[in-house]
Amino acid sequence: SAVISQKPSRDICQRGTSLTIQCQVDSQVTMMFWYRQQPGQSLTLIATANQGSEATYESGFVIDKFPISRPNLTFSTLTVSNMSPEDSSIYLCSVGDGLLGNQPQHFGDGTRLSIL
Amino acid sequence: QKEVEQDPGPLSVPEGAIVSLNCTYSNSAFQYFMWYRQYSRKGPELLMYTYSSGNKEDGRFTAQVDKSSKYISLFIRDSQPSDSATYLCAMKDNYGQNFVFGPGTRLSVLP
Repeated sequence: SAVISQKPSRDICQRGTSLTIQCQVDSQVTMMFWYRQQPGQSLTLIATANQGSEATYESGFVIDKFPISRPNLTFSTLTVSNMSPEDSSIYLCSVGDGLLGNQPQHFGDGTRLSIL
Repeated sequence: QKEVEQDPGPLSVPEGAIVSLNCTYSNSAFQYFMWYRQYSRKGPELLMYTYSSGNKEDGRFTAQVDKSSKYISLFIRDSQPSDSATYLCAMKDNYGQNFVFGPGTRLSVLP
């Protein structure tokens, strides 16, 4: 099964700054997913990233706020731009390996982000 | 009404107890049903998945789907302290366009 490394594991940032989260997978995958997890709430899909094409964003999430890169089949980044306290959350990278038909199956351990 | 609902807990049980975790949903198009386990400060890991109705067993875990009631369950037999985690249900339709997680139930198994 795929092993996902996510960096940083946590960070505390100032309002108005940006942070880039990295996701590295130990095998080639077609689709990578970026989720947000807030306490007591469901995992919310931010966007789906395919290599070689623009990321597909879910309703309520826009590219200017959450730009995503997917330069190859094992790596992706999510940037949280112009951060505000409402962006404080856990951000998770996920991949599928075919068992669920390219749906999120394996997750990184997340990036805990706090905005002051 | 939320698309997938799950009692957030926390649910505390003594070691050895049988645990029942449940989700209800509203979208009758859901056909695939998943359970993930998430330890504190870790990402979710897929425990089990089932297609359509019926039961599926894997060791101490049994997943049950009742599509007529739009109700799914995860049973844990002989629960262990190592089972203490948050359990998330998830479901999707046949086309994979709609993949939804429940908010999770926090379980504590007390030694």
